Amino acid sequence: DTAVSQTPKYLVTQMGNDKSIKCEQNLGHDTMYWYKQDSKKFLKIMFSYNNKELIINETVPNRFSPKSPDKAHLNLHINSLELGDSAVYFCASSQDGLLPVGEQYFGPGTRLTVT
Amino acid sequence: GIQVEQSPPDLILQEGANSTLRCNFSDSVNNLQWFHQNPWGQLINLFYIPSGTKQNGRLSATTVATERYSLLYISSSQTTDSGVYFCAVERGGADGLTFGKGTHLIIQP
Repeated sequence: DTAVSQTPKYLVTQMGNDKSIKCEQNLGHDTMYWYKQDSKKFLKIMFSYNNKELIINETVPNRFSPKSPDKAHLNLHINSLELGDSAVYFCASSQDGLLPVGEQYFGPGTRLTVT
Repeated sequence: GIQVEQSPPDLILQEGANSTLRCNFSDSVNNLQWFHQNPWGQLINLFYIPSGTKQNGRLSATTVATERYSLLYISSSQTTDSGVYFCAVERGGADGLTFGKGTHLIIQP
C-alpha cells in the first residue's frame, strides 16, 4: 500500500485553465503539506494543514487554494493557470506536525506542464 | 527564515568510492531530514536525524545540533546512488521543511 499517493502523476494543460491535484495519505498522520519543485529542482513549502486547519500559507498566489475534506486528504486547486506554474508538486504528511516534530513522508509528485 | 546550505553542489565519483555531503543551517531546528531524489523524481527518505548519529547499510548520518550542521556519508558508492541529495530542516509548528539546494551526485561505473 502506498503511504502518500497523488493523482494525477502528469498533468498537461493550457494557460487559463483550472485544475486540481489530489493527495491521500494512509499513515494516520495529522499534518499534510504541499511543496513546489521548480525547474532548478528547488523545493519550497506552499501550505501546511494540521487536523484540517490551515497552518502555513507561504507567499503563494491566491489562485492556489488547498482544501482538506478530512485528515487523510489534502487537495490543491489552481485557478487561471500560468506558464510559471509549471513545476512538480509534492504532497507530504507527518505525525504531530506541531511539537514534537515528526518525520515527513512524500508522495510521488505531480508534474504540471502549462502550455 | 532558516537558511540551509549544502556542499558540494556537484560531485562525480567512481563506483566504489566514499563521499561526505555537508549541510549547514542557520538556526536551531527540531527536525532534520536527508532525502535522495532518484532520476525518476521520487523523494526517498534516508534519515530523520535532528541530532546524533544513525546508520543504514552503506549510508550513515551525523547531526551536531549545537554547531548547526549535518553530514551524510556514503560508502562503497554504487551507480544506483546517483541523483540529488537534499537536506531539509524544520523548526516546528507545522512550518514545513526548508530545503537546501541539494548535492547532485553522479557515480560512474
